[in-house]
Amino acid sequence: GNSVTQMEGPVTLSEEAFLTINCTYTATGYPSLFWYVQYPGEGLQLLLKATKADDKGSNKGFEATYRKETTSFHLEKGSVQVSDSAVYFCALRALTGFQKLVFGTGTRLLVSP
Amino acid sequence: GAGVSQTPSNKVTEKGKYVELRCDPISGHTALYWYRQSLGQGPEFLIYFQGTGAADDSGLPNDRFFAVRPEGSVSTLKIQRTERGDSAVYLCASSPTPQGVTDTQYFGPGTRLTVL
Repeated sequence: GNSVTQMEGPVTLSEEAFLTINCTYTATGYPSLFWYVQYPGEGLQLLLKATKADDKGSNKGFEATYRKETTSFHLEKGSVQVSDSAVYFCALRALTGFQKLVFGTGTRLLVSP
Repeated sequence: GAGVSQTPSNKVTEKGKYVELRCDPISGHTALYWYRQSLGQGPEFLIYFQGTGAADDSGLPNDRFFAVRPEGSVSTLKIQRTERGDSAVYLCASSPTPQGVTDTQYFGPGTRLTVL
């Protein structure tokens, strides 16, 4: 079946550090890939997405590239801020049964000043 | 514009009781989804509506769970004979149309259900 694997957290960084959160997936065909973010006390928000191989999604300084050959969609940011502290979820939406999102377990990011 | 809203935000109930959780999707969105998020986990799909009909209910864990969307807008998730294992945050999401894999799902703030 379809699944998403994320690196375990928490990831603890100092402000302005470089961020990578790893995400790999298993799916038939070529799913769409998403990163959602959940800030403390708030609901899930779409951060970025990519719908085909080699696409790069970007938003708010975050980027992720759809890598078919490695079935990966790693999230990166060059310089994190305290306000980026949140839980980040990688998700896929497959071509078949495409309505539902399949999420990873989430990675908590803690950024200190 | 208004986002997806869910009520109540918190619900505490006793084991064996019946609960209803409500979701108001974004106006005009035809697709509606329910997910369940247990502590420390990612959301898990429960059911998907296209209009008034449940197009995919494969994620409902058992027959104690049921959801309706009678007029194609508001949806209610119903849980009978609640168990402690049902404690979780129940999330609702909507999207403009179900066509294609690129449609973004917009999530509500969730209802935190606690079964004592």
